[in-house]
Amino acid sequence: GAGVSQSPSNKVTEKGKDVELRCDPISGHTALYWYRQRLGQGLEFLIYFQGNSAPDKSGLPSDRFSAERTGESVSTLTIQRTQQEDSAVYLCASSPDRGSEKLFFGSGTQLSVL
Amino acid sequence: AQSVTQPDIHITVSEGASLELRCNYSYGATPYLFWYVQSPGQGLQLLLKYFSGDTLVQGIKGFEAEFKRSQSSFNLRKPSVHWSDAAEYFCAVGAVNTDKLIFGTGTRLQVFP
Repeated sequence: GAGVSQSPSNKVTEKGKDVELRCDPISGHTALYWYRQRLGQGLEFLIYFQGNSAPDKSGLPSDRFSAERTGESVSTLTIQRTQQEDSAVYLCASSPDRGSEKLFFGSGTQLSVL
Repeated sequence: AQSVTQPDIHITVSEGASLELRCNYSYGATPYLFWYVQSPGQGLQLLLKYFSGDTLVQGIKGFEAEFKRSQSSFNLRKPSVHWSDAAEYFCAVGAVNTDKLIFGTGTRLQVFP
């Protein structure tokens, strides 16, 4: 597609369940980012993938959060044993190369944990 | 510590009025500065960016921003606001040797006809 695609657009889950969020970056983009946007707050950096390099996981808030990306394709963000404080919009962005000046964002996944 | 502050959570203006959204940053390295806009249900779209050179940068949709190093500010301006400008605006800072952007908390703009 022409842009960054995220699915699902909305996800409602029960506390304690695992969820998986998907991001399809723009074809050819080597860099992929996950951000979290809590209500009334700015974007929090979660994790960054660049090509085949080891990902930068410094923003992951706990070991319940993990993400994978195979090569330069789809990425999945997994949250295990979800908690109510995990409720947020999870945004994915991709970039054609290293460096943050050319970020293209998806429309996000709104996660609600009941 | 690296941070971005957007002191105005919510701004309301009349259509046709001028607009200024404030952004202050704290960053140890030479900053790259960005403004993004997020319309309801959509992803973030880059409005403009500053890397170096002329401190007044022009962006899309008639927006401009001025980098003032002495004030650690990068305020966004538009001379005449349109109803379609109603959205959330985020200021962000990054650096040449980092791949992460630090975002402010956003300013929600409401435009009255």
